[in-house]
Amino acid sequence: EDQVTQSPEALRLQEGESSSLNCSYTVSGLRGLFWYRQDPGKGPEFLFTLYSAGEEKEKERLKATLTKKESFLHITAPKPEDSATYLCAVRSGGSYIPTFGRGTSLIVHP
Amino acid sequence: DAGVTQSPTHLIKTRGQQVTLRCSPKSGHDTVSWYQQALGQGPQFIFQYYEEEERQRGNFPDRFSGHQFPNYSSELNVNALLLGDSALYLCASSPGTAGGTDTQYFGPGTRLTVL
Repeated sequence: EDQVTQSPEALRLQEGESSSLNCSYTVSGLRGLFWYRQDPGKGPEFLFTLYSAGEEKEKERLKATLTKKESFLHITAPKPEDSATYLCAVRSGGSYIPTFGRGTSLIVHP
Repeated sequence: DAGVTQSPTHLIKTRGQQVTLRCSPKSGHDTVSWYQQALGQGPQFIFQYYEEEERQRGNFPDRFSGHQFPNYSSELNVNALLLGDSALYLCASSPGTAGGTDTQYFGPGTRLTVL
């Protein structure tokens, strides 16, 4: 059974204070690891898909990296508008079912 | 491009009733997945539809059923509602040729409250 654990559960940062969110996973044959951003009461917004260890992707102040056991979402010089819940999900070979973590709630104070 | 749309936005039902939620996928997408998201939890996969058939199902009882129409839009039906069915119901679409979930786009969700 695929498992995803995200840490920390909640993170408070000052504007400009860089940090990283962690997603640890256990799957039998990783077919993809996904990062989403979710604002309160809204649907998740797709950010990145990573497929293999060593892969990195960037978008504005966000950078996602992948190893064989975990992924990191690095946030550089965050702004208050980066405040949201960040979700990680994995998909294993042969399945169309992604398994989501519980998310990290990020609050960036001005 | 309107993206993924869902209706209604909010819904209040009582225990034992039945509910139908609707989803229109992003233009060019032929695969629709449904998720249930309880407060403080990640989305839980209910099922996925492709070419008007249920392609895979998560761990949900038969009270949860669905349908996909020829225009790729989809419905989620829940019978005999329980208090525990209160949640945000999310629809996501993707191009079927990519394996179904490689690039998923979510709708805004339907907030269902069961009293």
